[in-house]
Amino acid sequence: KNEVEQSPQNLTAQEGEFITINCSYSVGISALHWLQQHPGGGIVSLFMLSSGKKKHGRLIATINIQEKHSSLHITASHPRDSAVYICAVTSGSARQLTFGSGTQLTVLP
Amino acid sequence: DAGVTQSPTHLIKTRGQHVTLRCSPISGHKSVSWYQQVLGQGPQFIFQYYEKEERGRGNFPDRFSARQFPNYSSELNVNALLLGDSALYLCASSLGGASNYGYTFGSGTRLTVV
Repeated sequence: KNEVEQSPQNLTAQEGEFITINCSYSVGISALHWLQQHPGGGIVSLFMLSSGKKKHGRLIATINIQEKHSSLHITASHPRDSAVYICAVTSGSARQLTFGSGTQLTVLP
Repeated sequence: DAGVTQSPTHLIKTRGQHVTLRCSPISGHKSVSWYQQVLGQGPQFIFQYYEKEERGRGNFPDRFSARQFPNYSSELNVNALLLGDSALYLCASSLGGASNYGYTFGSGTRLTVV
């Protein structure tokens, strides 16, 4: 079993829809990260969470430490949101990142 | 201010050869981490360096090595390349230390081994 599990693996939505991507982890963490990866490989950090909820524009990230679960929500989705969204946790003595396998999001116009 | 810079962006090597990948962190960042991302998978942790010392190592063979220089830039070296080493190699920098800091990623080096 992977230490970080994401669902769904693939998600197709119509423009304007509300989107939720889920992440569960099985290890003790010091922080959880949501990242966005576009074709070509570049990764952009969206959020770093250790508790509660954060909001940036149309993106909202929540974390439940007791349940070891986090969600990334996108409101009023747009085709430019199409990308791979990756959940990662900071753990271990080196505070290295352990990544989920990613969710491929496609938003259709 | 420049972001995390990785070089080269792409390269093609033959099995058995050696490769050196380079990473320059954001100014002021003292920690550099290396990750390998095989097509269709999430990145896997290879090394982390902080203040020029190795702080962590992932489950990779000894063919993989790295170092960090006094200016905090870093090199990842891979010897005796195998076809399975073909991947996107990502470098991430952070302030480092004991607290939680965000990471800034480079655009990666895409290595193809033929």
